[in-house]
Amino acid sequence: LAKTTQPISMDSYEGQEVNITCSHNNIATNDYITWYQQFPSQGPRFIIQGYKTKVTNEVASLFIPADRKSSTLSLPRVSLSDTAVYYCLVAYGQNFVFGPGTRLSVLP
Amino acid sequence: KAGVTQTPRYLIKTRGQQVTLSCSPISGHRSVSWYQQTPGQGLQFLFEYFSETQRNKGNFPGRFSGRQFSNSRSEMNVSTLELGDSALYLCASSPTYYRENTGELFFGEGSRLTVL
Repeated sequence: LAKTTQPISMDSYEGQEVNITCSHNNIATNDYITWYQQFPSQGPRFIIQGYKTKVTNEVASLFIPADRKSSTLSLPRVSLSDTAVYYCLVAYGQNFVFGPGTRLSVLP
Repeated sequence: KAGVTQTPRYLIKTRGQQVTLSCSPISGHRSVSWYQQTPGQGLQFLFEYFSETQRNKGNFPGRFSGRQFSNSRSEMNVSTLELGDSALYLCASSPTYYRENTGELFFGEGSRLTVL
């Protein structure tokens, strides 16, 4: 059974680096891992996507080990506005499976 | 560039009724996918349409159906509503279907359905 798991919640302080890990044991060889951010009353918003090794964009980095059974979203120097729920998304066959979401609270 | 538009934003129905939700994708996007979001089950994939054809389907009963029109607009329908269908229904668009796409989905703000 395809399953994607994440920590339910995390706390951090402004200016710190935050790492959120997603486990996806049954990922297929050609599937990408994608991360989304969601604020209350809004749809999820794309953060970053990767297939293997490391990907970096202007807002985050994504680390994927060689076995691809997990991935880690890294948010550098978080601010209060990064308080949100973060989801990883993996496609298993024809079914797109979101993780349960990690509620990140950034404290001043 | 206009984003993904979902209508209606809020609606209330009673058990046994049916509901139709609409989604207008970003101009030029040909794929529309639908998701159900609830506090208990999180974000769950319903189905994806591309060029008027259903490409992928999640694990939902046949009461949940959808279609896509030639202008890429999509509708989803839920028949014989149950209390457990109360949820935020999100649609997302992308230029091509998921397997060909980079995977970036552009989400609307959702339609919140309450079933009484």
